[in-house]
Amino acid sequence: GQNIDQPTEMTATEGAIVQINCTYQTSGFNGLFWYQQHAGEAPTFLSYNVLDGLEEKGRFSSFLSRSKGYSYLLLKELQMKDSASYLCAYSGAGSYQLTFGKGTKLSVIP
Amino acid sequence: ETGVTQTPRHLVMGMTNKKSLKCEQHLGHNAMYWYKQSAKKPLELMFVYNFKEQTENNSVPSRFSPECPNSSHLFLHLHTLQPEDSALYLCASSQSSDQNIQYFGAGTRLSVL
Repeated sequence: GQNIDQPTEMTATEGAIVQINCTYQTSGFNGLFWYQQHAGEAPTFLSYNVLDGLEEKGRFSSFLSRSKGYSYLLLKELQMKDSASYLCAYSGAGSYQLTFGKGTKLSVIP
Repeated sequence: ETGVTQTPRHLVMGMTNKKSLKCEQHLGHNAMYWYKQSAKKPLELMFVYNFKEQTENNSVPSRFSPECPNSSHLFLHLHTLQPEDSALYLCASSQSSDQNIQYFGAGTRLSVL
């Protein structure tokens, strides 16, 4: 079964903050990734967390807790162009393969 | 522009046709990947090539046949597909297969009639 989980859809208002959660279960862990995918376009790399804590990159931040198998992506000052799917993925220890969640479709409304 | 280019962007084929998908990366990477993305399903890894050698085949049916002539090019040859193979096929590349940040192409939207 699916061992990585994220909400299917979220809606947020322009200018607001939204947090997209991701939980995972794996026996070994080598990193947690977030990608953004606009409809009909390539997934684009947003962030990579390998240690616990918060990584900030402009309006986007990503948090990881390895002990809890938990990550979130935080988007601040939302813009209409942030409407997209956000994909969470992990790589297991000793493996280069990425295991992806189903993605969270974020809709930003005026 | 991600540095990974896929052609064609859209493809419609019958179940008896043979077609090929092409991927080219301009990033100097050594590992390349094929993924399948179906509606409401997570990205599924199909094949991995590292330095032109296939290192992973995730139980993909033989009607999908990959080819990697060099580190910059990757093909997916298709023959006698089924309607359930209709999906978005994504190519990705990374520095090597143990450098996990993968960069994706825009995909080929495949419809099998």
